[in-house]
Amino acid sequence: EIFLTQTPLSSFVTFGQPASISCKSTQSLVHSDGNTYLSWLHQRPGQPPRLLIYNISSRFSGVPDRFSGSGTGTDFTLKINRVEAEDVGVYYCTQATQFPQTFGQGTKVEIK
Amino acid sequence: EVRLVESGGDLVQPGGSLRLSCGASGLAFSTYAMTWVRQTPEKGLEWISVISATGDNTYYRDSVKGRFTVSRDNSKNTLYLQMNSLTVEDTALYYCAMGGGDFWGQGTLVTVSS
Repeated sequence: EIFLTQTPLSSFVTFGQPASISCKSTQSLVHSDGNTYLSWLHQRPGQPPRLLIYNISSRFSGVPDRFSGSGTGTDFTLKINRVEAEDVGVYYCTQATQFPQTFGQGTKVEIK
Repeated sequence: EVRLVESGGDLVQPGGSLRLSCGASGLAFSTYAMTWVRQTPEKGLEWISVISATGDNTYYRDSVKGRFTVSRDNSKNTLYLQMNSLTVEDTALYYCAMGGGDFWGQGTLVTVSS
């Protein structure tokens, strides 16, 4: 099973300032088909997760361009260019390269 | 608009059974693999099972193999999760999701307790 470790686990961010979350995998997430199935999810309190980024860096439909993903192999990063109030909640990385699909522990983002 | 609606969650005694359903609308249901994921404060998000678009292929996490069965009825745009021999460790909020998590339902709560 592939384990994903996120850092930090908690982040207090000033409104309008950038935020960054790291996700490190215990194995390379490059699939034999050449794709890297690393995604980022956002979960607001009391809501289900919603997809932000898939395949490392592709923004899902309707996701603002202040969100960006990067990385390769085992190290990945989600960046929020300028944090807005609606960005609070918990962010998860998840991999679907290898069964079972696994998730990071989550990073809680709060506004200072 | 894609909409996934789970139902069937309940309070059940250890050793009992439940059948969860996930009704889908706003998507070509029969063309997507579907996933069940559960969430608890202790373990976070935990993948349970995935079923291929046609239903021919299914996969499970080890801890539910032999106890849970995923199925789908593409004519009814509905996904199912039959859960048997439930234990307290199965207590969680259960989500269905399109593909590997493109869209998620609101979840249905399963509580296993005596």
